Amino acid sequence: DADVTQTPRNRITKTGKRIMLECSQTKGHDRMYWYRQDPGLGLRLIYYSFDVKDINKGEISDGYSVSRQAQAKFSLSLESAIPNQTALYFCATSSSDGELFFGEGSRLTVL
Amino acid sequence: ELKVEQNPLFLSMQEGKNYTIYCNYSTTSDRLYWYRQDPGKSLESLFVLLSNGAVKQEGRLMASLDTKARLSTLHITAAVHDLSATYFCAGGQVQGGSEKLVFGKGTKLTVNP
Repeated sequence: DADVTQTPRNRITKTGKRIMLECSQTKGHDRMYWYRQDPGLGLRLIYYSFDVKDINKGEISDGYSVSRQAQAKFSLSLESAIPNQTALYFCATSSSDGELFFGEGSRLTVL
Repeated sequence: ELKVEQNPLFLSMQEGKNYTIYCNYSTTSDRLYWYRQDPGKSLESLFVLLSNGAVKQEGRLMASLDTKARLSTLHITAAVHDLSATYFCAGGQVQGGSEKLVFGKGTKLTVNP
């Protein structure tokens, strides 16, 4: 089993719908992250959390929200999805040394 | 604010050849990371470079860090097809006492027979 698990792996939805992407990890790391990947743009940080009570905005947080339900769980929500949120989303974890460990990705298409 | 630039963004090379991918960053970065991504897959950590002059090697890949020049390089020796992938560098940026990573746009490497 993967150390960082994302669900769903693929999702197609319509404009205006609420979407939640879930992430769970078994690495025991305190730090969790949500990144978005678009072709030619690399990875951009949406939100990050350094412990259960800590939530921080990344560079592209508008239109997204997160919830850190437990040390092992970090979910990303799109309250009202729009087409330019079509992308590949990655959850990642790290220990204090900063090295990231990524999930398999969630491909979201908003029509 | 830390910015990370990679070049080239696309690289097509023949098997057996050598080449270098460059990663420049704009401000002081405590550490530099290299990741590999295969098409449709997740990112896999390759190297973590922690200090000036650090050099790490794994198989045909060697990464180095020059903090004075704000430059990291990923050198490919005698490329083989299996190295075809997208390679990302990322710089560590400390904010509020904790570190988060800023990624370059990636270098898509294609190794041709």
